[in-house]
Amino acid sequence: DAGVIQSPRHEVTEMGQEVTLRCKPISGHNSLFWYRQTMMRGLELLIYFNNNVPIDDSGMPEDRFSAKMPNASFSTLKIQPSEPRDSAVYFCASSLSITNTEAFFGQGTRLTVV
Amino acid sequence: DQQVKQNSPSLSVQEGRISILNCDYTNSMFDYFLWYKKYPAEGPTFLISISSIKDKNEDGRFTVFLNKSAKHLSLHIVPSQPGDSAVYFCAASDRGQNFVFGPGTRLSVLP
Repeated sequence: DAGVIQSPRHEVTEMGQEVTLRCKPISGHNSLFWYRQTMMRGLELLIYFNNNVPIDDSGMPEDRFSAKMPNASFSTLKIQPSEPRDSAVYFCASSLSITNTEAFFGQGTRLTVV
Repeated sequence: DQQVKQNSPSLSVQEGRISILNCDYTNSMFDYFLWYKKYPAEGPTFLISISSIKDKNEDGRFTVFLNKSAKHLSLHIVPSQPGDSAVYFCAASDRGQNFVFGPGTRLSVLP
């Protein structure tokens, strides 16, 4: 398996634009997580899904952030409108189940909002 | 308020010596703890974990110690190697439902 695949690897956008980050989890994994990493706050869990259903989105910072998982092999994290403080590395991770505590991470998307 | 703290943002160790990375947590509901290693431009990779029913877990050069009464865990790497240079994240979970990560400690192993 190729592991968790995220795209794009790098994204530079202007403030106010919509940004969509994409993730393909490992096949057969039922849980998917979105994280954000910044220098100030370290690694933060934004939202996670189990069997394509959002379970906990309490980490999503604002209503500008939304995430979807239309099927077992694809998820998106959208920021609309984007702001400079959203600049960070966004990681997607998947695991076999919600109670399986080992998660496999993608390589991340580095987002820069100017 | 940070529930998981790694108070040392960076640590430098000589090759061959022991590296000790520390982590403190505040939530007594946490019952599973993990360490992740992250190289630049890569996602974090799982390193080792420990359940609250144990106080030690060992995997090769890596050992994690858990002191529940002090709400403290540590990762020992011995002997340290230059390839161990990375950022190490401590994470805590309550029954696998929620994950909280520490801010990370950057380890530099000097040859």
